[in-house]
Parts: sequence; C-alpha cells; structure tokens
Amino acid sequence: SAVISQKPSRDICQRGTSLTIQCQVDSQVTMMFWYRQQPGQSLTLIATANQGSEATYESGFVIDKFPISRPNLTFSTLTVSNMSPEDSSIYLCSVEKGTGYTFGSGTRLTVV
Amino acid sequence: SQKIEQNSEALNIQEGKTATLTCNYTNYSPAYLQWYRQDPGRGPVFLLLIRENEKEKRKERLKVTFDTTLKQSLFHITASQPADSATYLCALDKAAGNKLTFGGGTRVLVKP
Repeated sequence: SAVISQKPSRDICQRGTSLTIQCQVDSQVTMMFWYRQQPGQSLTLIATANQGSEATYESGFVIDKFPISRPNLTFSTLTVSNMSPEDSSIYLCSVEKGTGYTFGSGTRLTVV
Repeated sequence: SQKIEQNSEALNIQEGKTATLTCNYTNYSPAYLQWYRQDPGRGPVFLLLIRENEKEKRKERLKVTFDTTLKQSLFHITASQPADSATYLCALDKAAGNKLTFGGGTRVLVKP
C-alpha cells in the first residue's frame, strides 16, 4: 500500500478566494483521485488525475472550479476556486496501490 | 441511475455481539466491492475487498459476503469491541484502479 501526505489539514478561507490542496505519495502511481465529503455525507468523486493529461471530471464538477495539476507520478494538487460557503467540506485524495485504495488524511475547508 | 445504499441509521450493539451491515446497489455491475472504515476527522481506511466471483471473504473478525444476484453485500464484525466504533462504508469499483463509488455509510457504536 501507499502512504499519502496531504496538506493543509484544515483551513478557514474567505469567500471569493482560492485554496490549493496538495497530495504527495511515497511511490509512483498512475492515477490519483480527488473526493469531496460534505458534512454528514459520504464521499463523492470530483475527478481522476493522470500524469501528462487533463483530469477527468465527474458530473457536476468542472475544471474552472476545481483545477487539478498532476506534474509527476507522485504528486497532485486540487484547487478550490472562487470559494463560497457551499464549498465547506472535507477534500481527500486517494490512490490505488495493490489491494484497496489509500486515502490522505483530508483537508477540512471552512469558507466564511 | 446508479445507487449504493447503506442503512443510514446508526447501529448500536453490545460488546461481544456480531454487527451486521448491509450494502445494496442498483443499476450497477461491479467487479469489486470494498469495505472501508472511517473515524471522525480521518480518511477512510481499507478493510476488505471481494470480487464478483467470490461469495465470502474473511479477515480476522471481519467477514464479507457478496451476492451479485441480490446485488447485496453483508459486512459482519464478530465479537465486536468498543474500538470497532466507527462509520463503515461500502464502495464499488468496475475495475481495479478505475474509480470508487461510495455508499452513504453506516455508523456503528459498540457499547461496553
């Protein structure tokens, strides 16, 4: 399995601003996944990020709002742009390495 | 549309008893079904994976069944302990490393 370092662990942001979340994996992986977990809800996939190509976004999520970078096989960032209070959630990255998926510890975002 | 349903009501159980959780899905043909544990403020942790051609899988005190005819998985925690208290999520994957779709999760509370 892999080890993921995700940061920041939490942040409080003003509406209209942007936050970039980083995930570093301790080994090379082909795909990285970004999820959102709204308060009291389960995880919803935002997008899948492959190195060297544009991320693939799920229905309801767009690149302008959630731009993703994947500069190499161990690193990815997700930016939450032009934030509103509705973006207050936990954001998690994930990779599949061996059996099962490994998740980062999450970024708890509060937009005020 | 695809649906993955777990009992949204919390499961309260006495220590030592067996906890049984249900995951039902519709409009889906998963190759893999996975179970995760999530503690408050943390990312999900992988527990077990069962393939579509497997009926049952065990790991220590955990047992998972997978019935593709009923489109249902059961997750059992035997000899439950207070440390087993957490939210348990089922997730479906069409192919290894494809992407996970999560159910809403069931919270388990084991009382001493």
